[in-house]
Amino acid sequence: GAVVSQHPSRVICKSGTSVKIECRSLDFQATTMFWYRQFPKQSLMLMATSNEGSKATYEQGVEKDKFLINHASLTLSTLTVTSAHPEDSSFYICSAGNPANQPQHFGDGTRLSIL
Amino acid sequence: AQKITQTQPGMFVQEKEAVTLDCTYDTSDQSYGLFWYKQPSSGEMIFLIYQGSYDEQNATEGRYSLNFQKARKSANLVISASQLGDSAMYFCAMREQGSGNTGKLIFGQGTTLQVKP
Repeated sequence: GAVVSQHPSRVICKSGTSVKIECRSLDFQATTMFWYRQFPKQSLMLMATSNEGSKATYEQGVEKDKFLINHASLTLSTLTVTSAHPEDSSFYICSAGNPANQPQHFGDGTRLSIL
Repeated sequence: AQKITQTQPGMFVQEKEAVTLDCTYDTSDQSYGLFWYKQPSSGEMIFLIYQGSYDEQNATEGRYSLNFQKARKSANLVISASQLGDSAMYFCAMREQGSGNTGKLIFGQGTTLQVKP
């Protein structure tokens, strides 16, 4: 069964709306989670590393104020796309880190469409 | 800087035949991990196989095997006896050394595989 749950799976909303996406590790504690963005037919681009109890680490070029990340517990990280615009429409997917030599487990992703 | 390269944007294979998806990587780290994931059109990322840089034998998982050539820095995925359900996008990824036990993954560009009946 799934070990990482991501919700919602699909969001359609108006421009200017803020959208929150949740990523939960179901049967393990994750001090670190990762948020990726993927455009159609392209690779996963790491946006940020979510650290439990501390600030997220953002990749170069990713706007911190645009993509707010909160990792308040060992099983939950949230990504909030603030004041979303059509160019923010994309597939967002999270993963939770595991001990060395184990694969990261991914959520099922969120398809975000901003009208 | 680490880099993962998948040079095949798209591949076709006949059902029941084997196919090799290429992946090369570049890293100065001595310890690293290589992963292959499958992404069907529905979007979820499905872990297929893992190879550690110090593993002496090529990894195998059912119909999947990883042809690991460390000197050439290649980690090709071999799928044997292709099935229609294998049609998907395939990503090669490398885990950075360090960052404790939760190093982030760097992904290649992906290869879209289509299995023909």
